[in-house]
Amino acid sequence: QKEVEQNSGPLSVPEGAIASLNCTYSDRGSQSFFWYRQYSGKSPELIMSIYSNGDKEDGRFTAQLNKASQYVSLLIRDSQPSDSATYLCAVKRPGGYNKLIFGAGTRLAVHP
Amino acid sequence: ETGVTQTPRHLVMGMTNKKSLKCEQHLGHNAMYWYKQSAKKPLELMFVYSLEERVENNSVPSRFSPECPNSSHLFLHLHTLQPEDSALYLCASSQSTGTGANVLTFGAGSRLTVL
Repeated sequence: QKEVEQNSGPLSVPEGAIASLNCTYSDRGSQSFFWYRQYSGKSPELIMSIYSNGDKEDGRFTAQLNKASQYVSLLIRDSQPSDSATYLCAVKRPGGYNKLIFGAGTRLAVHP
Repeated sequence: ETGVTQTPRHLVMGMTNKKSLKCEQHLGHNAMYWYKQSAKKPLELMFVYSLEERVENNSVPSRFSPECPNSSHLFLHLHTLQPEDSALYLCASSQSTGTGANVLTFGAGSRLTVL
């Protein structure tokens, strides 16, 4: 079982719709969860972090965490073509130093 | 310069060559990382340095040798690589403690091709 699993996509949504990206993780002791965005040919950049069960909103982005189900998601409201990228879910492994484990990413395509 | 700078951006080498990748961060961070990104595979953590001490070596073959002379600079020395080592090598930095420890800033990457 992979430590962090994501559907590779592509997830295709029309402009203005809600894009829903999902991630599951295997280590029940994980405490910190992150979403990074990576445009083609660029390096990943952090867009959201979440540490507690429930929802966390930042502009058009909402991260949702359910530790009991070992599930974290990212919702993008009013999707724009500029949101087209690969979204990487990352989980901080408990203990140790700053060990972020990444999923393989979900490619999102927002079409006009 | 700002952020995290990696050089070279592209590198082609033969299996018998020795080369080095360089990373420099201008963010005042004290933890630095090497990640490997291959097509359609997750980012693989290779090495972590915190306060210039290597704190993570993620079962990386010895043909990859990291060096962190100070908190701003990180190198990855390469020798006798294999074609399967061809990938994008990403350097990142963060604070080593506190909530900033979870926020990685990545460089643009070094695209390595091994012939």
